Amino acid sequence: RKEVEQDPGPFNVPEGATVAFNCTYSNSASQSFFWYRQDCRKEPKLLMSVYSSGNEDGRFTAQLNRASQYISLLIRDSKLSDSATYLCVEMDSNYQLIWGAGTKLIIKP
Amino acid sequence: EAQVTQNPRYLITVTGKKLTVTCSQNMNHEYMSWYRQDPGLGLRQIYYSMNVEVTDKGDVPEGYKVSRKEKRNFPLILESPSPNQTSLYFCASMGQGSYEQYFGPGTRLTVT
Repeated sequence: RKEVEQDPGPFNVPEGATVAFNCTYSNSASQSFFWYRQDCRKEPKLLMSVYSSGNEDGRFTAQLNRASQYISLLIRDSKLSDSATYLCVEMDSNYQLIWGAGTKLIIKP
Repeated sequence: EAQVTQNPRYLITVTGKKLTVTCSQNMNHEYMSWYRQDPGLGLRQIYYSMNVEVTDKGDVPEGYKVSRKEKRNFPLILESPSPNQTSLYFCASMGQGSYEQYFGPGTRLTVT
């Protein structure tokens, strides 16, 4: 089974800083990728899709690097409310989702 | 309100005692799925269903059963639970043509 790998963290970041983390995937044929956000003990929720051309939504930017097979998530001007675990997700050629274990982000005042 | 509901939210049971976790969605989604989440591991798919009466095994189906008799409901059945099934379980649904999965609030199961 192909894997999606993420640094588990935690990343401790001061409020207002910019933080970025990556996720690597092993299936070069995969076309679609996503970032989900999961708050402690709660359900995951879609944060953003990752397109080949990149995707920006407010303070969040997602990028796809096919040559090196990784996707990234950049958060600018981080807020306390950004503290969560960020899950990287790959959709394989059978439209099944492969989930990373998540990167824990802690924003400190 | 569009949502996925799961019941119970918390369950402590003993080895071998059959249990069912219910999942229901009110969004008329065709696709539904069950996952388990364990520390240090990504969400692992147990079973999924593309539509009524159509179910398929995910990555970790052993020890679980599902059914999809109605579009809105997708119960997860553990015929004879074992301690290694202690986990956090999520049900999810997705509409046709969409890639966004909507998750239920989770069921924390402990098998002693």
